[in-house]
Amino acid sequence: QSALTQPASVSGSPGQSITISCTGTSSDVGGYNHVSWYQQHPGKAPKLMIYEVTNRPSGVPDRFSGSKSGNTASLAISGLQAEDEADYYCTSYTTSSSWVFGGGTKLTVL
Amino acid sequence: QVQLQESGPGQVKPPGTLSLTCAVSGASISSNYCWTWVRQPPGKGLEWIGEICPGGNTNYNPSLKSRVTISVDKSKNQFSLKLSSVTAADTAVYYCARGGLWRFDPWGQGTLVTVSS
Repeated sequence: QSALTQPASVSGSPGQSITISCTGTSSDVGGYNHVSWYQQHPGKAPKLMIYEVTNRPSGVPDRFSGSKSGNTASLAISGLQAEDEADYYCTSYTTSSSWVFGGGTKLTVL
Repeated sequence: QVQLQESGPGQVKPPGTLSLTCAVSGASISSNYCWTWVRQPPGKGLEWIGEICPGGNTNYNPSLKSRVTISVDKSKNQFSLKLSSVTAADTAVYYCARGGLWRFDPWGQGTLVTVSS
């Protein structure tokens, strides 16, 4: 199985909005609504930010939102804050009864 | 509050077997969740290794399937990972996480395993 495709990096200024894409195939992202997003700060474990495409766990700010169209899922962050600077990973369930991660996106808050 | 903690040797010689354990607190390992292993080579992205689900059903990454075994020890409320025939490419931070309900949450803090002779 091939990794999902994410941009290597995105950036934005405080207060701005950014979107991170996650492109797969009909065998993963396009075939299921089982897409989740994780935030990882340097040296830390990943943290769940979005699950089942659009759902936010309790404690995650509503500045974070998810969506999906066809084989591409997206994570949007509005009102960027310095603490949002981190690596972000998407993951999807697959037709092989396995999970595949994206390559990760480094978010820089300018 | 559910917490997970990885433990095991920090160094493994090739072509030996990497063995790690994940201790679970705040929840029963027998509950209706899957228990998952994910790894991250230094400076690289996350890779799903596999999971063990209710009933002992296991699912593994197709690229690692021939070398991976995940098992549960109900008496100790923990689950384990064994990865055989390791090479330098298996050097990574290994994380355990609770799966099921189509998400991985929470995660352990991770443990670095270096494969070197």
